[in-house]
Amino acid sequence: ELKVEQNPLFLSMQEGKNYTIYCNYSTTSDRLYWYRQDPGKSLESLFVLLSNGAVKQEGRLMASLDTKARLSTLHITAAVHDLSATYFCAAIIQGAQKLVFGQGTRLTINP
Amino acid sequence: DAGITQSPRHKVTETGTPVTLRCHQTENHRYMYWYRQDPGHGLRLIHYSYGVKDTDKGEVSDGYSVSRSKTEDFLLTLESATSSQTSVYFCAISSLPGAQETQYFGPGTRLLVL
Repeated sequence: ELKVEQNPLFLSMQEGKNYTIYCNYSTTSDRLYWYRQDPGKSLESLFVLLSNGAVKQEGRLMASLDTKARLSTLHITAAVHDLSATYFCAAIIQGAQKLVFGQGTRLTINP
Repeated sequence: DAGITQSPRHKVTETGTPVTLRCHQTENHRYMYWYRQDPGHGLRLIHYSYGVKDTDKGEVSDGYSVSRSKTEDFLLTLESATSSQTSVYFCAISSLPGAQETQYFGPGTRLLVL
């Protein structure tokens, strides 16, 4: 059974600092997704990581995938207040059309 | 934004009553999904559809049924609502199997079961 765990679950940080959110998954999965959710809103797709070693960047966010370690990271560089949100990772169940989500990381960036 | 709407957006109902939530898409995507979101659990898959009249269960399907008679509509029914089904329900769509591209999410439906 595929399980996906994120840490930390809550993260409060200052503007200008760097930090990383970790996403571990328990069984083989070669696709990893990152989403962002603002309070009371829907989920917005950030990144789709399709292979081992994949790295994608958009602005101050960079995501990477290590399928051997079953680990994905979302790195935040020089955080700004607008990045405050909840971030979810999700892994695909091999051979199925199903995503399994992590619990989410609530990120608060303080001035 | 992907053309996905959900109705109703908010609903309050009583324990034991049936409830139907509707997801409508204008993208002609083949795959549609229903999730529920609860604090501490992220999103959990209830049911999904891979074509008209083709559906399958997700990890939390007990107490829920679905139907898809047209490409654009995917209905989620709570056969007899319980307080444990109080949640936010999201519909999602994708044109390819989940492994191939991301899923696009609707705005969500907030359901309160009293």
